[in-house]
Amino acid sequence: NAGVTQTPKFRVLKTGQSMTLLCAQDMNHEYMYWYRQDPGMGLRLIHYSVGEGTTAKGEVPDGYNVSRLKKQNFLLGLESAAPSQTSVYFCASSLPRTSGDEQYFGPGTRLTVT
Amino acid sequence: AQSVTQLGSHVSVSEGALVLLRCNYSSSVPPYLFWYVQYPNQGLQLLLKYTTGATLVKGINGFEAEFKKSETSFHLTKPSAHMSDAAEYFCAVSVGNTGGFKTIFGAGTRLFVKA
Repeated sequence: NAGVTQTPKFRVLKTGQSMTLLCAQDMNHEYMYWYRQDPGMGLRLIHYSVGEGTTAKGEVPDGYNVSRLKKQNFLLGLESAAPSQTSVYFCASSLPRTSGDEQYFGPGTRLTVT
Repeated sequence: AQSVTQLGSHVSVSEGALVLLRCNYSSSVPPYLFWYVQYPNQGLQLLLKYTTGATLVKGINGFEAEFKKSETSFHLTKPSAHMSDAAEYFCAVSVGNTGGFKTIFGAGTRLFVKA
């Protein structure tokens, strides 16, 4: 049981390049999330999904796209990378219950855009 | 709308001293409250959570937190700090709405432990 995994772990892009970050979970969770973490700003939600085939915008969605074609995978795409997208990206998943939304996080992807 | 405020972006304690990390929230409905810990170069992991019932919640590694509704607080404490507690700690509030839950994270508090 690997939990939540993310690939790649590190990446350096030039401005204007594109890439896709992959998140996979093996816990059969319905909900999946993409966050970015920047110094002093905590976690900010980029996009999320409440089930296979559905996605929704979070707090900071501009410049990103997502897809959830399979329940276990959640992809985050950057079509034209910008230096402002330099950050650490975390994927998370959850199985929301009546007792709240406990999230399980991946190890993160450190992205640098030059 | 809910929000989370963590007082102090950095807290420094000596090994063996009390750890107190502060979290205040605002929510129009009864919230679920969480503390997560992030060790260097890792993702967040759940430390403890408050759902309903007992207001003093015990978590892993000797941490506990008390839900005080009147003060809208959920402060995290540990009686005696250990070097291995050095990490960043995030408070989060989750409320139910149509379609599921909405979770907001605080900005985080980095805990330093001095030998």
